[in-house]
Amino acid sequence: GENVEQHPSTLSVQEGDSAVIKCTYSDSASNYFPWYKQELGKRPQLIIDIRSNVGEKKDQRIAVTLNKTAKHFSLHITETQPEDSAVYFCAATYGQNFVFGPGTRLSVLP
Amino acid sequence: DTEVTQTPKHLVMGMTNKKSLKCEQHMGHRAMYWYKQKAKKPPELMFVYSYEKLSINESVPSRFSPECPNSSLLNLHLHALQPEDSALYLCASSLHGGTGDYGYTFGSGTRLTVV
Repeated sequence: GENVEQHPSTLSVQEGDSAVIKCTYSDSASNYFPWYKQELGKRPQLIIDIRSNVGEKKDQRIAVTLNKTAKHFSLHITETQPEDSAVYFCAATYGQNFVFGPGTRLSVLP
Repeated sequence: DTEVTQTPKHLVMGMTNKKSLKCEQHMGHRAMYWYKQKAKKPPELMFVYSYEKLSINESVPSRFSPECPNSSLLNLHLHALQPEDSALYLCASSLHGGTGDYGYTFGSGTRLTVV
């Protein structure tokens, strides 16, 4: 089955710096890769996604890159702010559903 | 309406109780999901309904029983739960089922404690 790995498990950055979270997946048939942000005690929220026919997508301070050959995709957050502190989950399609990565706890230090 | 609404937000139940969790969306999404999330872990899939038919049951114990009365509503009936079932139960919906290529909209969840 699909296996999604995510690194690092925790990440601390200074406010204003960039943060990068990387995920790898195993199923070459996966074709859609969403990223979710979950603040403490709240629901996961879709923040950006990318489909397999695109190599990069950007939305303001957030960007995602995809390398289908290497089966990895990454989330890039620039100019980090304290409100970016949360747990971030990557996911990859597997059949009719998603498999989530184990999550990255991002802390943005003021 | 761009939300998935879950009730109740919190639930404490005994091991002999019967209770139900409810989920509602009015975005015209045709796939609805139940996930279980333990602390510091990613959501784990429990059930998928696609066009009101149960399409995936990830080998969930029978003490959890899903129901999809119509395309906007999803219930999870709980009976004879164990303390280890305590978790955040998340409902989600997506535009279509069967392809997994649309993002989910998650509800706020029901935090369940079994005593």
